Amino acid sequence: QQQVKQSPQSLIVQKGGIPIINCAYENTAFDYFPWYQQFPGKGPALLIAIRPDVSEKKEGRFTISFNKSAKQFSLHIMDSQPGDSATYFCAARPGFSGSARQLTFGSGTQLTVLP
Amino acid sequence: DGGITQSPKYLFRKEGQNVTLSCEQNLNHDAMYWYRQDPGQGLRLIYYSQIVNDFQKGDIAEGYSVSREKKESFPLTVTSAQKNPTAFYLCASSIGASSYGYTFGSGTRLTVV
Repeated sequence: QQQVKQSPQSLIVQKGGIPIINCAYENTAFDYFPWYQQFPGKGPALLIAIRPDVSEKKEGRFTISFNKSAKQFSLHIMDSQPGDSATYFCAARPGFSGSARQLTFGSGTQLTVLP
Repeated sequence: DGGITQSPKYLFRKEGQNVTLSCEQNLNHDAMYWYRQDPGQGLRLIYYSQIVNDFQKGDIAEGYSVSREKKESFPLTVTSAQKNPTAFYLCASSIGASSYGYTFGSGTRLTVV
């Protein structure tokens, strides 16, 4: 129930395209859904995050869409650029109090944006 | 600048050796974490610590050990009991165990030779 399933494993788009990365979860106790961006040889960095009380959140060219009933959320990158080429991880965290509030990560999507 | 420093960047281990990965933060964060990253498997939690002198096992703690004697430091020892230690290891911290934002270090790549 702690698992977060991410797809696709890899994605190649042309510059200006709109890559979409999808994640699904089972645990209805999750209440925080962040996306992390990781460049080769570096640690992940927080990109954007959403709470389940909203269906969409935009920050610049990055948008999270959230479907609470389907238990799915996705990342869209508008007008993608070669500099967006990186590995993207979705994650989720339960909202109940206690020690088990660590992030559970998806398996990652390697995005390549061709010039 | 505040952040997390992991060292070394690359580490080579011989069969049967224990090695220790360093993680230091100057963010004044209470909680610290160790993750292992393998291709296609995302990030898996090894150990976490919510406060000094206390730590808990994550999903894949077997073959690893940690200590948290100082707030700033959370070293990870990969013991000889870890049969497949070759991976990218990431340390992270957060203000508290209940906080939302994780800050990651740049990682240590461990290779068994």
